[in-house]
Amino acid sequence: NAGVMQNPRHLVRRRGQEARLRCSPVKGHSHVYWYRQLPEEGLKFMVYLQKENIIDESGMPKERFSAEFPKEGPSILRIQQVVRGDSAAYFCASSPERRELFFGEGSRLTVL
Amino acid sequence: QKEVEQDPGPLSVPEGAIVSLNCTYSNSAFQYFMWYRQYSRKGPELLMYTYSSGNKEDGRFTAQVDKSSKYISLFIRDSQPSDSATYLCAMSDNKLIFGAGTRLAVHP
Repeated sequence: NAGVMQNPRHLVRRRGQEARLRCSPVKGHSHVYWYRQLPEEGLKFMVYLQKENIIDESGMPKERFSAEFPKEGPSILRIQQVVRGDSAAYFCASSPERRELFFGEGSRLTVL
Repeated sequence: QKEVEQDPGPLSVPEGAIVSLNCTYSNSAFQYFMWYRQYSRKGPELLMYTYSSGNKEDGRFTAQVDKSSKYISLFIRDSQPSDSATYLCAMSDNKLIFGAGTRLAVHP
């Protein structure tokens, strides 16, 4: 069974560009979570989605950030007009029952 | 006050030592408790998952939950250099909240 797949693993953007991060959950998992991790820090919750629905986006900045989990295809975390402070590792996790989470290897965003 | 407090370490121990990692929390609504291990530049890997107060053992790892004291622990017996990683506690009511992580180094 494939685990959570994230791509790209590394992404470099200039300030003002858009970043799109993709996440394919474990097959059969309908719950997807996005977390952000800054160097030497823990994981900060951003958003929790089920198929086609955002359940909890309390950790996501109100501007420039959006997430979706369409009926078909991967979940997407989109960051518009990136700034240097957006540089971080973004982790996606999936869960079968909204309990233990299984994480991908992360997408590392660097904003120049 | 953070919802989940975890000593960031770093913790350095000799091979074979018993390691104790701890977290405290403030939200009595937390029902599920987990420990994750994260190697450098990798994703977190689920180590232990517990629901109720008490102990759960898996090989060299033992997880302990004390809901009355809002305190959880992870013990690693006979620690190995391959255990060197960052250990993150996490707990959940609707979403998983993580501690800051404790960096552990086991030296031969």
